[in-house]
Amino acid sequence: QKEVEQNSGPLSVPEGAIASLNCTYSDRGSQSFFWYRQYSGKSPELIMFIYSNGDKEDGRFTAQLNKASQYVSLLIRDSQPSDSATYLCAVKQAGTALIFGKGTTLSVSS
Amino acid sequence: EADIYQTPRYLVIGTGKKITLECSQTMGHDKMYWYQQDPGMELHLIHYSYGVNSTEKGDLSSESTVSRIRTEHFPLTLESARPSHTSQYLCASSGQGDGYTFGSGTRLTVV
Repeated sequence: QKEVEQNSGPLSVPEGAIASLNCTYSDRGSQSFFWYRQYSGKSPELIMFIYSNGDKEDGRFTAQLNKASQYVSLLIRDSQPSDSATYLCAVKQAGTALIFGKGTTLSVSS
Repeated sequence: EADIYQTPRYLVIGTGKKITLECSQTMGHDKMYWYQQDPGMELHLIHYSYGVNSTEKGDLSSESTVSRIRTEHFPLTLESARPSHTSQYLCASSGQGDGYTFGSGTRLTVV
């Protein structure tokens, strides 16, 4: 069964610190990788996607992909209290729908 | 403004009733999806569609049906609601890229 694994947390970091969120996936055929942010009671919103090995930066967010290790991560620099949410890792093979992990809850304290 | 809409936002219904959850998008996306999410849990794929008259089953599809007669519309029907169906139902769509845009969700309670 295709799986996406995340540490459920909570991950607690002080304001201004770097938050590191990790995700592993079981299917080596996975081609696209996504990070969604979900505030309590709200729908997920896309914050990053990555297709190739290496790093991809967008503002305070950096996604990292290592296909050989089947590992994808999200770094949030200069964490803010407004970053407190659940972060969902999602993985996709060609021609299929996204498979989501359970999410990691991030708490940023001021 | 292009968006994806779900109605109703909240629904409380009795056991055994037939219900249809509506989802419409104005972005012209070919691909649409239904996910179920319990509080604090992962999203589970119920059904998806890659275009008009195309529907596929996900992991939790056995107790629901969908139709895709128009590109913009992807309703989900539960023929006979049960308390185990109490959950949040999220509709999403995607275009050329793979990233999904989610609707606001329907929170269903079956009593």
